[in-house]
Amino acid sequence: GDSVTQMEGPVTLSEEAFLTINCTYTATGYPSLFWYVQYPGEGLQLLLKATKADDKGSNKGFEATYRKETTSFHLEKGSVQVSDSAVYFCALSDQTGANSKLTFGKGITLSVRP
Amino acid sequence: KAGVTQTPRYLIKTRGQQVTLSCSPISGHRSVSWYQQTPGQGLQFLFEYFSETQRNKGNFPGRFSGRQFSNSRSEMNVSTLELGDSALYLCASSTGRYTDTQYFGPGTRLTVL
Repeated sequence: GDSVTQMEGPVTLSEEAFLTINCTYTATGYPSLFWYVQYPGEGLQLLLKATKADDKGSNKGFEATYRKETTSFHLEKGSVQVSDSAVYFCALSDQTGANSKLTFGKGITLSVRP
Repeated sequence: KAGVTQTPRYLIKTRGQQVTLSCSPISGHRSVSWYQQTPGQGLQFLFEYFSETQRNKGNFPGRFSGRQFSNSRSEMNVSTLELGDSALYLCASSTGRYTDTQYFGPGTRLTVL
């Protein structure tokens, strides 16, 4: 079945540091890929997405490129801020079957200190 | 446009009871999905409803059920509650295509004592 693997956390960075969060996936079809962010006490918010190979999703300084050859969708940001502290989830939605089920990674907690 | 709303936000129940959670999707969205979030298992898919029909189902026991109404609002029911059902239950709505974004509500925090 489909699966998403994220790097182990938590991650603690200083403000303005470079961020990389690794994400790899296994899917039977040709999935769409997503990064969601969850702030304390809230639901999930879409951060960015990509729907086909070599697409780059970007939002609020975050970027991720859909790499079919390495089945990866790593999240990067050049300079993190304290306000980026949250839990980040990588997810996929597989095209097999007419549905929109999301399969999530375990999530990683990012803490950014001033 | 109003976002996804879930009611209630918090619930405390005892073992053996049943509970019903409600989700109102974004206007125009016909797909509603439910997810369970726990520290141990992470985010797990429960089921998806599209135009009042269950379109997909995760690996949860039959105690977990749901339905969708003609206005796309959805309810989720858990019968015979167990301690392990304590979780954050998240609802998401979308147009229903796999490439489209799912928009999540704030969740219902269920505590089973």
